[in-house]
Amino acid sequence: NFMLTQPHSVSESPGETVTISCTGTSGSIASNYVQWYQQRPGSAPTTVIYEDNQRPSGVPDRFSGSIDRSSNSASLTISGLKTEDEADYYCQSYDNSNYNWVFGGGTKLTVL
Amino acid sequence: QVHLVQSGSELKKPGASVMLSCKASGYTFTTFAIHWLRQAPGQGLEWMGWINTKTGNPTFAQAFTGRFVFSLDTSVSMAYLRISSLKPEDTAVYYCARVYPSGSFPHYWGQGTLVTVSS
Repeated sequence: NFMLTQPHSVSESPGETVTISCTGTSGSIASNYVQWYQQRPGSAPTTVIYEDNQRPSGVPDRFSGSIDRSSNSASLTISGLKTEDEADYYCQSYDNSNYNWVFGGGTKLTVL
Repeated sequence: QVHLVQSGSELKKPGASVMLSCKASGYTFTTFAIHWLRQAPGQGLEWMGWINTKTGNPTFAQAFTGRFVFSLDTSVSMAYLRISSLKPEDTAVYYCARVYPSGSFPHYWGQGTLVTVSS
């Protein structure tokens, strides 16, 4: 089955840029769109990137997404980090073998 | 404006059953499927499956067959998740979600319902 793997945690300083990776296994990550969700403690996830690199209205352009076919990975890049960006981030896509939604394990972003 | 409002927290004993609700508003309920997801304490998101709100036909992820039932009351735009024979490992926050209008990914989420299973 298709799976998505993320680093457990990343940390960076305010004002800096951080990139979170999401690597596909047992399938091509480019086969389906990838979404990214931000989840703050005690809250439901919210979409920050959809369809690989699209931002919903209201999401600042500091957030961007990309796909690298050579590494079979998706990436979420957050520039000009703010303390309010501190949260868990999940990538999501689909398993073509069974049409299931698949989530990465999540990455805890610390901004310090 | 799309809203999904879920029922409140539940505390249940092992072996009991629980029914969670998800009330949709701001759109025609039968236009979009309702998906259910689970998040155990300190863990990531797991997709449980979805229910076709036009036909009532459910689809379950492999890990969620047997003790889990999805149902609807379209007259009040409600979706339900029933879990039977509860186990301590069912302790989690359960979310309902709806897809983005032009996509097939979760975009609108309920606030989540915490189910605690403990003797």
